[in-house]
Amino acid sequence: KNQVEQSPQSLIILEGKNCTLQCNYTVSPFSNLRWYKQDTGRGPVSLTIMTFSENTKSNGRYTATLDADTKQSSLHITASQLSDSASYICVVSESNYQLIWGAGTKLIIKP
Amino acid sequence: NAGVTQTPKFRILKIGQSMTLQCTQDMNHNYMYWYRQDPGMGLKLIYYSVGAGITDKGEVPNGYNVSRSTTEDFPLRLELAAPSQTSVYFCASSYRTVTDTQYFGPGTRLTVL
Repeated sequence: KNQVEQSPQSLIILEGKNCTLQCNYTVSPFSNLRWYKQDTGRGPVSLTIMTFSENTKSNGRYTATLDADTKQSSLHITASQLSDSASYICVVSESNYQLIWGAGTKLIIKP
Repeated sequence: NAGVTQTPKFRILKIGQSMTLQCTQDMNHNYMYWYRQDPGMGLKLIYYSVGAGITDKGEVPNGYNVSRSTTEDFPLRLELAAPSQTSVYFCASSYRTVTDTQYFGPGTRLTVL
């Protein structure tokens, strides 16, 4: 069964610290993997997209990694800011054009 | 360029009532979607459309109906509202395929009492 699991469920860190969010998937056949950021009360916004051949992709202070062999992805946030407080959702696309959404990690940045 | 807009932002319904959630996009996207998001859960696809006149069921279509008469509009109809339909509803659109970046509206928070 196609599944996307994210960990941790929630995370609290101090402003300025780094953190890493995890995404494990069992989707097959794999097409691509996206990370979305969802601010409270808003719709998700795409941060990065990674295809099978990409290992690392950065978007400012956000760096996503993909290990297609172990079917794992991570999202690393550097020098966190209060505006990074949000839910981060991992979404994996199956080659048959089906999207499998993770439940998300809720990140809280404390001053 | 407003992107994806949804109305209303909030709504309270009584059991058995019906309503239509409106969604409009101005990006000339072919694909449009309706999702629901329950507290602490991931997004679940209700219906999607690949173009005007074409719609298809997603993961959780029961209790909902859609239509797509134009490229811009994709309304979601709730018939005979039930408490299980209490959720936040998001409309989204993408340019060509399901795997393209999806652009989301601000959501409609619906409570059925």
